[in-house]
Amino acid sequence: GAVVSQHPSRVICKSGTSVKIECRSLDFQATTMFWYRQFPKQSLMLMATSNEGSKATYEQGVEKDKFLINHASLTLSTLTVTSAHPEDSSFYICSALLLAGKYEQYFGPGTRLTVT
Amino acid sequence: AQTVTQSQPEMSVQEAETVTLSCTYDTSENNYYLFWYKQPPSRQMILVIRQEAYKQQNATENRFSVNFQKAAKSFSLKISDSQLGDTAMYFCAFIPNFGNEKLTFGTGTRLTIIP
Repeated sequence: GAVVSQHPSRVICKSGTSVKIECRSLDFQATTMFWYRQFPKQSLMLMATSNEGSKATYEQGVEKDKFLINHASLTLSTLTVTSAHPEDSSFYICSALLLAGKYEQYFGPGTRLTVT
Repeated sequence: AQTVTQSQPEMSVQEAETVTLSCTYDTSENNYYLFWYKQPPSRQMILVIRQEAYKQQNATENRFSVNFQKAAKSFSLKISDSQLGDTAMYFCAFIPNFGNEKLTFGTGTRLTIIP
């Protein structure tokens, strides 16, 4: 099956620093990837849609200057949390869209970000 | 607006029993896709089953099956012969198929299988 990896799985950073999270589709090419945020005991909240070779599309209320997304290749999208603050602490999940008419998203294992 | 509602925040069932998780959705689209995703304690999202709205036959994957009622906009998940490994959060999700691939998730049902 389609595999998506995320790195790192867990990161702790100090307030004011930036953190980069990588999302890779390992055995397929993904022109579209998605970034989600999940608070404890809640559902996934879509942050942005990442398209290879173009600017990401952000959901309403998501600061594009704070959450920088770069879809550099057909297998890699990165999310950079800039000037992180404790309120940015959360579980971040990426997914990659497998086309071929199935519209199935395959999810990475997630990254737990803790900002101290 | 497209919404997905899961009215059961938590459920529990004895091992080997059958359990049904409810999901309703609202859309004005005629063709779309519905999914059930499982999120175990590891937090890895796993696709359990999918249903295309244009197919009348209910999808089945081993012990997992759905009851898709298009007119009622209902999409329930039945887990037969439940196992301890089925303990997880289950999210119902929906996606239109006209160039918009964004998933809309329900709030989830926490399912506990009791030994």
